[in-house]
Amino acid sequence: DIQMTQSPASLSASLEEIVTITCQASQDIGNYLSWYQQKPGKSPQLLIHSATSLADGVPSRFSGSRSGTQYSLKINRLQVEDTGIYYCLQHYSAPWTFGGGTKLELK
Amino acid sequence: EVQLVESGGGLVQPGRSLKLSCAASGFTFSNYYMAWVRQAPKKGLEWVATISTSGSRTYYPDSVKGRFTISRDNAKSSLYLQMNSLKSEDTATYYCARHVGTPYYFDYWGQGVMVTVSS
Repeated sequence: DIQMTQSPASLSASLEEIVTITCQASQDIGNYLSWYQQKPGKSPQLLIHSATSLADGVPSRFSGSRSGTQYSLKINRLQVEDTGIYYCLQHYSAPWTFGGGTKLELK
Repeated sequence: EVQLVESGGGLVQPGRSLKLSCAASGFTFSNYYMAWVRQAPKKGLEWVATISTSGSRTYYPDSVKGRFTISRDNAKSSLYLQMNSLKSEDTATYYCARHVGTPYYFDYWGQGVMVTVSS
């Protein structure tokens, strides 16, 4: 199975700050990586797919990048509504596996 | 508007069975792979099952293989998850999700349904 190691597990940042969350895949998964945001008591929402493509309706301050088997989610100019838990997902092969999550809070 | 509405959750004793349903609307259900993803209380996300558009292909992780069965009724735009031999570790919120591609990431999720396995 492909392991997705996500870091950090938690993060506290200030408004307007730049935030970066990373996921390290245990093997090559190409661009088969997506990012999700989950708010308390809600279902996950798609942010980024195919490593770098912004999902419909997602603010442009969110972006995704890839360097080898490391994937990053960047939030430019953090807003209040960006708090929540973020997950990466590899969809290269079954079993599809998620990262452990990053809890993002406002400082 | 795409909508996925789960039902059928509840409290069940270990070793018993439960069947979840997901009613889909707002898109052509038969054109999409579908999946179940679960989340144990205060834990992360875990993919549970995927089914192809026709239902001829199904995929499971080892943690549920042989106990859970995913199925669909395209005429009713409905997805199901039959869960047998339930264990306490199956306690979670179960989400119905729509796959993009054959199959790739999840683009829409339901609101989730809680399953509690306890005596």
